[in-house]
Amino acid sequence: KQEVTQIPAALSVPEGENLVLNCSFTDSAIYNLQWFRQDPGKGLTSLLLIQSSQREQTSGRLNASLDKSSGRSTLYIAASQPGDSATYLCAVRNSGGYQKVTFGTGTKLQVIP
Amino acid sequence: NAGVTQTPKFRVLKTGQSMTLLCAQDMNHEYMYWYRQDPGMGLRLIHYSVGEGTTAKGEVPDGYNVSRLKKQNFLLGLESAAPSQTSVYFCASSYLSGGKASGEQFFGPGTRLTVL
Repeated sequence: KQEVTQIPAALSVPEGENLVLNCSFTDSAIYNLQWFRQDPGKGLTSLLLIQSSQREQTSGRLNASLDKSSGRSTLYIAASQPGDSATYLCAVRNSGGYQKVTFGTGTKLQVIP
Repeated sequence: NAGVTQTPKFRVLKTGQSMTLLCAQDMNHEYMYWYRQDPGMGLRLIHYSVGEGTTAKGEVPDGYNVSRLKKQNFLLGLESAAPSQTSVYFCASSYLSGGKASGEQFFGPGTRLTVL
């Protein structure tokens, strides 16, 4: 059974700092991994999708990496801004079957002005 | 494109009442999903559909039914609501590529349901 862990559960950083969010998964037979952002009381917004054959994806100040063999993904946020404050979720889609998606419980990020 | 939309946004039910949540997507996606999100438990899959006229159970299907009569719509029904079904419900869809869901999920804004 796939298990997805995100540590820490909460993180507070000063504006301008570069930061890394972590996502670990137990089963390396994945199809892809997706990072989301969720603002309070809102839905999930897709940030980056990494296919199993890829090592990283970049979008603006965001960079996500994937290391299947070690069961890890990181989301790097450069030059953090108060508007980056949100909960960040990772979701792992397994290969095979109906490609079950397992979500982590998220890291709540606060960027302090 | 409106993307994925959900109605209603909020609802309060009494125990034993029934209701239907509607999800609609205008992206011509094959796959659609219903999740619930509870504090400390992440998102859990209730039911999903791989195409019009098909549905299947996810992790936590008990107490829910679904239908996908049209490709663009996925309905989630609660026949007899219970307080344990108080949650935020999200619908999502994803596209099909090369015979498999390419995997990127697009989410609706959610429905906040309280069962008293």
